[in-house]
This record gives sequence, C-alpha cells and structure tokens, in this order.
Amino acid sequence: QKEVEQNSGPLSVPEGAIASLNCTYSDRGSQSFFWYRQYSGKSPELIMSIYSNGDKEDGRFTAQLNKASQYVSLLIRDSQPSDSATYLCAVKNRDDKIIFGKGTRLHILP
Amino acid sequence: DAGVIQSPRHEVTEMGQEVTLRCKPISGHNSLFWYRQTMMRGLELLIYFNNNVPIDDSGMPEDRFSAKMPNASFSTLKIQPSEPRDSAVYFCASRSTSEEETQYFGPGTRLLVL
Repeated sequence: QKEVEQNSGPLSVPEGAIASLNCTYSDRGSQSFFWYRQYSGKSPELIMSIYSNGDKEDGRFTAQLNKASQYVSLLIRDSQPSDSATYLCAVKNRDDKIIFGKGTRLHILP
Repeated sequence: DAGVIQSPRHEVTEMGQEVTLRCKPISGHNSLFWYRQTMMRGLELLIYFNNNVPIDDSGMPEDRFSAKMPNASFSTLKIQPSEPRDSAVYFCASRSTSEEETQYFGPGTRLLVL
C-alpha cells in the first residue's frame, strides 16, 4: 500500500511564528512532491512543488525534501491568520499516480 | 479562463437514485482527474483520463461508479444506484503536462445520499 502520512493536527501556531508541517511517504521511487492548501469548504490549491533533495523557497513558504528519509516538510514563516487552513501533502509515485495525505489542520492564533 | 467547472455544486438524493456529476476542464488541459474527499479517507483518486482515454480506474470503489470523457471539454461521473456511504465531496481536476504537473481543482460537488 503506497501511503502518504501526515499528522492531522490541529497545529496551533502564534501569529508571526514559523509553522512546520511534516509528511512521510512509503514509495521510495517517488519523484514529485507537492503541498496543497485547502480552506474550509473550498478546493485544494497548489502552493509548492519540489522534485530534488534540499530546500525550495517561495516567498514565506519553504518546502524541504529528504528522499533518503522519505520525508517532505513545509515551513511557513511569519505566519498570518490567513494561513489557517488544511495543508495536504501529495506525492507522485512511480505509477504516475498522485497520492494525497489526509492533511494537517493549521490554526494561526492572532 | 474560468477554471475547472463542476456541476451541480450541491446534490441531495435518496438512496437508490442515479447521480451524475459533470466537469468541464480548463481549455487546453489534456489530463482530467476525479477525486472523492471524506473526513475518514481524505482525498482519493477515483479515475483519471489522458487525452480523453481512461488510464487508471483502480480507485473506482465498485461497479456502481462509472466515468466517461466523450471529448476534451467534458466528463461525467455517474453513480447508479447511489448509497449513503457515497456521501462526500467530489472534485474534478485538470492538468496540462506542460505545467510541471500542476493540477487545478474545480470547486467540487457536495453529494448527500439520504
């Protein structure tokens, strides 16, 4: 069973702090990794993609990938109340299918 | 572009009835995906099409579910007969392979089977 695991949360972070979201995956052959944000009652929206080991930064967001540990993370700097949402980790496995984790609920405390 | 369009946005039906969900992908996108999202199981891929051809339907729960894509601008997901456990939000997403695998999701159809 090819799985993507995330802590369901909720993860509560004070406004202005760094939020750290984590994800592990089981298919060692996976090559593409994604973070989606989903507001309550809305559809998922892609915010970051990463394909190689290391860090990838885009504004306040940094995605980190460690293929040896089968671990992907998302850091959100200077967290804002508008960042409160569910964050879905997604992995494209060697079968060319994108598998989603169940998501981590993030709550930014004003 | 209007993005991925889904209809209806909400559907309430009784057990045993046929349900048809509709999707119009973004123009020019050549891949289309149907997902189902529940609290218990998260976001699950049901089926996806490349160039209107079904590639993988291993996520379709059972024979009550069927999907078609008769042309590049339209797809349907049908449930017949529907059951209460089919209650979920059904998302359609489309993708252009020239955009680094970015999937664009529609607004979803919230289905309630009584």
